[in-house]
Amino acid sequence: DGGITQSPKYLFRKEGQNVTLSCEQNLNHDAMYWYRQDPGQGLRLIYYSQIVNDFQKGDIAEGYSVSREKKESFPLTVTSAQKNPTAFYLCASIAGGTDTQYFGPGTRLTVL
Amino acid sequence: RKEVEQDPGPFNVPEGATVAFNCTYSNSASQSFFWYRQDCRKEPKLLMSVYSSGNEDGRFTAQLNRASQYISLLIRDSKLSDSATYLCVVNYNFNKFYFGSGTKLNVKP
Repeated sequence: DGGITQSPKYLFRKEGQNVTLSCEQNLNHDAMYWYRQDPGQGLRLIYYSQIVNDFQKGDIAEGYSVSREKKESFPLTVTSAQKNPTAFYLCASIAGGTDTQYFGPGTRLTVL
Repeated sequence: RKEVEQDPGPFNVPEGATVAFNCTYSNSASQSFFWYRQDCRKEPKLLMSVYSSGNEDGRFTAQLNRASQYISLLIRDSKLSDSATYLCVVNYNFNKFYFGSGTKLNVKP
């Protein structure tokens, strides 16, 4: 089955802890994206990567970090520097030469 | 000013009604446009892409007006299953996307 997977589905974190969200795709897509969504709001871009070993900051990158060591994987680390990390995190990917995004099921992060 | 603006609604319509949503965008260099559907606590799913003046898929029609910088989504013969939030998405920096906050649709029996 081809698709985008995110894990875990729900994640609880204590304040001051770093946590890493997983995003994996077996679609052979080149570009991958991380967004966060807050209640009643649109998606906001955190980081994106067009190719392996390269990534760019989005509009709200502060307090987050990423890596792109493999084409199929784009993990997101939410650091303790992120002041308000409770949100719904969505990963997306795009095939080369196209501009249509497909989304994973998301990870809901709650800071206790 | 937000990059992409949508009326949050909710739009409450009876089954069988026709409903239309608008979305305005601020950057005239925008390249492509999309409507996504998002169910509560789920990921967005692609409904339609819009590259030229418009696109039609069954009961759904999207129109693009570049001069006025808006896109619209028309849903005919609304079904209960159409109840969702509809997100307008604009691509204007080669594959950097901006999302509206969504328009909520409730279709009532």
